[in-house]
Amino acid sequence: QKEVEQNSGPLSVPEGAIASLNCTYSDRGSQSFFWYRQYSGKSPELIMFIYSNGDKEDGRFTAQLNKASQYVSLLIRDSQPSDSATYLCAVKAVQGAQKLVFGQGTRLTINP
Amino acid sequence: ETGVTQTPRHLVMGMTNKKSLKCEQHLGHNAMYWYKQSAKKPLELMFVYNFKEQTENNSVPSRFSPECPNSSHLFLHLHTLQPEDSALYLCASSAGGSYTGELFFGEGSRLTVL
Repeated sequence: QKEVEQNSGPLSVPEGAIASLNCTYSDRGSQSFFWYRQYSGKSPELIMFIYSNGDKEDGRFTAQLNKASQYVSLLIRDSQPSDSATYLCAVKAVQGAQKLVFGQGTRLTINP
Repeated sequence: ETGVTQTPRHLVMGMTNKKSLKCEQHLGHNAMYWYKQSAKKPLELMFVYNFKEQTENNSVPSRFSPECPNSSHLFLHLHTLQPEDSALYLCASSAGGSYTGELFFGEGSRLTVL
């Protein structure tokens, strides 16, 4: 079983709709959860992080965490073509450890 | 210069060559990382340095040799690589002290081993 699993996609969503990206993780001791966005040919950049169960909203982005189900998701409302990118889920497993485990990423395409 | 800069951006080398990748961060961070990104595979952590000291070596083959002379600079020395080492090598930095998981990545060095 992969430590962090994501559907590689591609996920195609019409402009203006909600894009839903999902991630599951295997280590129940995981502490913190991150979403990075990577445009084609560019490096990853952090867009959201979440530590506690529930929802965290930042503009058009909402991160959702369910530790009991070992599941984290990212919702993008009012999707724009500029949101087309690969979204990487990353998990910080152990308190204090400087190691992020990444999923392989979900490629998202927003269709005008 | 701002952020994290990597040079060269592209590198082609033969299996018998020796080359180096360079990373410099201008963010005042104390931790620096090397990651490997291969097609259709997750980002793989290779090395972590904190305050110039190596704190993580993720079972990386010895043909990859990191060097961190100070908190702002990180090198990855390459020798006798294999074609399967062809990948994008990403440098990242983060603030020292309590590690939050927020990494700042450079643009990467695209390596091709012939």
